[in-house]
Amino acid sequence: NAGVMQNPRHLVRRRGQEARLRCSPMKGHSHVYWYRQLPEEGLKFMVYLQKENIIDESGMPKERFSAEFPKEGPSILRIQQVVRGDSAAYFCASSPSSRRGTFGSGTRLTVV
Amino acid sequence: DQQVKQNSPSLSVQEGRISILNCDYTNSMFDYFLWYKKYPAEGPTFLISISSIKDKNEDGRFTVFLNKSAKHLSLHIVPSQPGDSAVYFCAASEETSGSRLTFGEGTQLTVNP
Repeated sequence: NAGVMQNPRHLVRRRGQEARLRCSPMKGHSHVYWYRQLPEEGLKFMVYLQKENIIDESGMPKERFSAEFPKEGPSILRIQQVVRGDSAAYFCASSPSSRRGTFGSGTRLTVV
Repeated sequence: DQQVKQNSPSLSVQEGRISILNCDYTNSMFDYFLWYKKYPAEGPTFLISISSIKDKNEDGRFTVFLNKSAKHLSLHIVPSQPGDSAVYFCAASEETSGSRLTFGEGTQLTVNP
């Protein structure tokens, strides 16, 4: 997983707080994908971004979740007013434009 | 709707034997399939892929077979090694979706020494 950096690795938030997850793609990669893995489940697509554009957000919950990939800096997945059901591992993948993404090590969000 | 399914949550094999992991899909628009390996507390690592124009792709100990008519693919690992113990995810994508992947639920492979 070298190259795609996600931080923090672990994040604990109380119900109602905001969670910010960061993803720095591999150098030269302009495509970023966010996935969520709930306990005992596979990874589920959330959103696909290119620099300054959201290309596909069909997997994002309609409320409280947002994502951005600014011209400068990492991609951010933001979860407002977190609830216990948001507890999961959130993975980011990046790719240049190929069909295969490289994944980061993930952020494990725990809502208490 | 679960478009990619891995019906075996777990598989246990002896070191040196063959491991066969299976995956079924329902979306006929999928044209590219991948297998990822995942250790606890790490992200998925790419293992091997296959395009729908092929029915077999081999890389060292790993071979992926694709049966388009049955909408089924399998990953063969031979010989299996204890270090292969991990969760294996099957994933698929459509040409129009770029690198957006649809994952199966995963199969926990345990290779016993």
